[in-house]
Amino acid sequence: DTGVSQDPRHKITKRGQNVTFRCDPISEHNRLYWYRQTLGQGPEFLTYFQNEAQLEKSRLLSDRFSAERPKGSFSTLEIQRTEQGDSAMYLCASSLADGSNEKLFFGSGTQLSVL
Amino acid sequence: GEDVEQSLFLSVREGDSSVINCTYTDSSSTYLYWYKQEPGAGLQLLTYIFSNMDMKQDQRLTVLLNKKDKHLSLRIADTQTGDSAIYFCAEGRGGADGLTFGKGTHLIIQP
Repeated sequence: DTGVSQDPRHKITKRGQNVTFRCDPISEHNRLYWYRQTLGQGPEFLTYFQNEAQLEKSRLLSDRFSAERPKGSFSTLEIQRTEQGDSAMYLCASSLADGSNEKLFFGSGTQLSVL
Repeated sequence: GEDVEQSLFLSVREGDSSVINCTYTDSSSTYLYWYKQEPGAGLQLLTYIFSNMDMKQDQRLTVLLNKKDKHLSLRIADTQTGDSAIYFCAEGRGGADGLTFGKGTHLIIQP
C-alpha cells in the first residue's frame, strides 16, 4: 500500500501528558499537511511542510503543538501538556505540488482522546 | 475570511440520484474538491473541478460549478448503499492556505 499512513490509529492519554503522532506520506510527495477534525466539523488546517521546511502554521496551532519533518519524508506532530480540548482526529495529508492542480491524499487519522 | 457551507443531511432512496450542494465565499479559489469520509476513516478524494470549468463528469459523479454564484454541487447517479458517508466540499489554492472544508453532508440511503 503506497498511501498515507498514520500511527497510532488511536491514542488515549491523561490530561497533562505529552503525545506524539507520526505520518508517513506518499513517497514522491513533497508537501505534507496536518489537519484537525472534531466531531461534526470538517478538517481544519494546522500546518504544512514543503519538503523539510515548515512554511505555514494556523493560529489553531498553540505553543503546545510542534511539528517536524526532519528529512523531508515522515513527519511528527507533538502535543505537550495535553488538554481535554485537544481531543480530536488528527489527519495527515500529502500532495505533489507541481504547479498544476494540487490533490491532497489523506491518511486514516489518529484519534486522540484526552481524559 | 474563507467560508464553505453545506447542508448537514441528505436522505435519498437507493437507486435515486443524490445532489449535494455547497457554497463558498473565496472568489480566488483555484480548485474545488469533493471528498468522501466513511466512519472511522480518513478522507478520500472523489473528484475536483478547476474554477474555469462549468461541469465535470466521472462515471456516476457529476460536478457542477456556478462561479458567479459560488455554488458547487455533486450529483451521484444511481445511489447505492456503499455511497453512505459524509461528503465534504473544499476549496483552495494550495500551499500556504491548504484547503478549507465545509462541515460535511451526511448522505443517508433509504432502502
